[in-house]
Formats: sequence, C-alpha cells, structure tokens
Amino acid sequence: AQSVTQLDSQVPVFEEAPVELRCNYSSSVSVYLFWYVQYPNQGLQLLLKYLSGSTLVKGINGFEAEFNKSQTSFHLRKPSVHISDTAEYFCAVLTGGGNKLTFGTGTQLKVEL
Amino acid sequence: EAQVTQNPRYLITVTGKKLTVTCSQNMNHEYMSWYRQDPGLGLRQIYYSMNVEVTDKGDVPEGYKVSRKEKRNFPLILESPSPNQTSLYFCASSSIRSVLETQYFGPGTRLLVL
Repeated sequence: AQSVTQLDSQVPVFEEAPVELRCNYSSSVSVYLFWYVQYPNQGLQLLLKYLSGSTLVKGINGFEAEFNKSQTSFHLRKPSVHISDTAEYFCAVLTGGGNKLTFGTGTQLKVEL
Repeated sequence: EAQVTQNPRYLITVTGKKLTVTCSQNMNHEYMSWYRQDPGLGLRQIYYSMNVEVTDKGDVPEGYKVSRKEKRNFPLILESPSPNQTSLYFCASSSIRSVLETQYFGPGTRLLVL
C-alpha cells in the first residue's frame, strides 16, 4: 500500500525565513500527492496537489512543492514565512484504488518573531 | 456558503453510552469520509461512502458504524464507546467525478470517553 512519511514532527522557524517541510512517499507507478494545512482549531484545507505534468506545483498562500520521482519526495517550501503560517501541515497520497487519501503524521510549523 | 458541518463540536461521554456524531454537506458531493486524528498518528480514515447506500471500511473501522441514507448526511455512530476512541474526528466530502478533487473538511468534533 502506498504511504507517505513526514520525518519532522516539528519545525520552528523565524518570521521571514524560508522553510521546507519534508515528505517522502513509497514508490509506485502512478502517484498523486497532496499537502493539506490545519490551522489551530480548524479542519484541514488543501494547499496544493500534484496529479501530473509540471513537477513544480504552486499552491495557496505562497507555498509550492516539487515532485521528485528519483528521490520519491514531495517537499513543501515557502521562501518567506509569516506568523500566520503557524499550523500543522499534512502530506497525503491517494490510495485504495483511488478511493481515499492516506495522510502522513503531520509537521507542526511554528513561526516565531 | 459551501461547507461541511459537524455536530456536536465537543462531547464528553462515558464508556458504553451510544453516541452519534452528525456530518452534513451542502455541496451535493457524492463522496464522504470520516477520519480520526491522534497525536503522532496523523489522520486515519474510519469509513467512507462513494454515494447513497454505498459505504466501505477505511483503515480503522473497529468500534464504529456509519450510514448514508441521504446524499448530504453521513453520521458516525459509536455503539459502545471506549476510552481508546477519545480523539478528534473530522468529516470530509468531495465530488465523485474524481476523488482527486479537493476534499472539504468539517471543523472537527473533539470526543472524550471516560
């Protein structure tokens, strides 16, 4: 079964600094990858997704991710973070024959002044 | 406004007392799903439904039931709750045109089973 691994449970960063949140997936012929964000006391919302085509995917709020097949990675990046980016970020992969998402364990991004 | 609503948002109960968490969406979505979120484990799918009267188990279905009698509603039933079901629960929905479509999540229901 396909899965994703988020190795960093917490990532502290100063405001206006760049950030990278790491996600690795188990290799497969076809893979569809997602990043979701969960702000405090809220449900999840989609940041971006990779289905096919360009390996650099741009999402909302200035985030982007790069699909790297050789390294089986889908890292999330932002060149300059803001306090409001403090949230938990989940990487996910489509599984179950395309019927469901399997999520990683999440990375807590804490942006400090 | 397009949204997924869950009720209640917070619930404290005791072991063995049956409870239902409701989920409703107003986007005419065919696909609906329930997840539980636990620290260090991320989100795990409990059950999902591809359409009315069509449901299937996710990764952690034990101790839960669901039903899909109407397109907009997908209640989660705990017949005999136990402390290990203390968790944060999310309902989600998306169009069946493709499950690659964005999933819309509800605000969550925090459950404590004593």
